[in-house]
Amino acid sequence: EVQLQESGPGLVKPSQSLSLTCSVTGYSITSNYWGWIRKFPGNKMEWMGYISYSGSTSYNPSLKSRISITRDTSKNQFFLQLNSVTTEDTATYYCANGGYYFDYWGQGVMVTVSS
Amino acid sequence: DIVLTQSPALAVSLEQRATISCKTSQNVDNYGISYMHWYQQKPGQQPKLLIYEGSNLASGIPARFSGSGSGTDFTLTIDPVEADDIATYYCQQSKDYPRTFGGGTKLELK
Repeated sequence: EVQLQESGPGLVKPSQSLSLTCSVTGYSITSNYWGWIRKFPGNKMEWMGYISYSGSTSYNPSLKSRISITRDTSKNQFFLQLNSVTTEDTATYYCANGGYYFDYWGQGVMVTVSS
Repeated sequence: DIVLTQSPALAVSLEQRATISCKTSQNVDNYGISYMHWYQQKPGQQPKLLIYEGSNLASGIPARFSGSGSGTDFTLTIDPVEADDIATYYCQQSKDYPRTFGGGTKLELK
């Protein structure tokens, strides 16, 4: 069974970096696509980007140069870093499997940006 | 970006049919495939894939759920509605980058 689990701090200060880890079991991240999706208060969902089986990445242009998705294949984990956060980055962050549609999701981690 | 528009809420009675619509700002079909997908999300849970590529039922999803449509107009149908189906439903396109989602339709009981 494929399982994804996010981890990371629930509170980040404005202007700092948000860093999250997604640990995957039951499926190698050297296959398929692995990405991050966030849901804002009020229900809007935003695809942030993904890292592919080969390590290539694709990002939402709305995040410009603030985002980075990397991976550690030895631990079967991938990571999200979002720089220069503001209160508008407050959201529930999900990691998910897939490049076209997302068939496996983590439980989500709520991240609040506040001083 | 491709914009997906959903009605915010739909009220339905148990055992009746629910039809949830999603309209896109651009055609999301390509080479006979509709790059439209549907998810269910309940409070406190992660989204669950229901339908992929317009009309394909995801693994483990009951046949009460079905997807239809093409081009810019898509529908998720639940027939009959059961109490466990009360949730918010999202459409999502993958015809183009960035992948985008509709605003969600909250299914409520009449």
